Amino acid sequence: QVQLVQSGAEVKKPGASVKVSCKASGYTFSDYYTHWVRQAPGQGLEWMGWINPNGGGTNYAQKFQGRVTMTRDTSISTAYMELSSLRSDDTAVYYCARDQCSGSSCPFFDYWGQGTLVTVSS
Amino acid sequence: EIVMTQSPATLSVSPGERATLSCRASQSVSSNLAWYQQKPGQAPRLLIYGASTRATGIPARFSGSGSGTEFTLTISSLQSEDFAVYYCQQYNNWPLYTFGQGTKLEIK
Repeated sequence: QVQLVQSGAEVKKPGASVKVSCKASGYTFSDYYTHWVRQAPGQGLEWMGWINPNGGGTNYAQKFQGRVTMTRDTSISTAYMELSSLRSDDTAVYYCARDQCSGSSCPFFDYWGQGTLVTVSS
Repeated sequence: EIVMTQSPATLSVSPGERATLSCRASQSVSSNLAWYQQKPGQAPRLLIYGASTRATGIPARFSGSGSGTEFTLTISSLQSEDFAVYYCQQYNNWPLYTFGQGTKLEIK
């Protein structure tokens, strides 16, 4: 069965960086785009960007451009999201999610990781 | 940026009754709209895409309709497990995909 398993919770100081991992199993990792979506405490969902594991192409929401980097390691079916220059308002649960469509981006998300809480606090 | 507005913010309905949730886009998104369900402490779950197509494994009591700027998610006969927060998402406006702020469906 399809699973996305994310790395554990992180606590970071303002100005630091965080890197969250998302390990995929149960499907061919390279065939489906991986998206990242975050959710601040008690708030709604915010799309951050995607990575195409087949080739590594990325597309970031303008809000995060310059601060976010999405990468992947196909040998271990894992996607990564690194966010730099952290601020207190980056405190959120970060989710990876699989694009439903194979070989291109739909983009709506049929499988999600369990989420990784990133807390930014001095 | 396309702004998605969901109404109401909270909807109180009794089990067995029908629930109707609305989502409005600030400009046309054609039929490029999805609905998700989220329970406390869990990741969202895809319910509907293409405005009206149920995702795999989603019960028939969930249905979506609409196009352009006005969309509706209907749950025909509420079960206890349906009480959750529901989000709409537009994916028409590449490369920025936006969500609504959510509707909390609570037990009346």
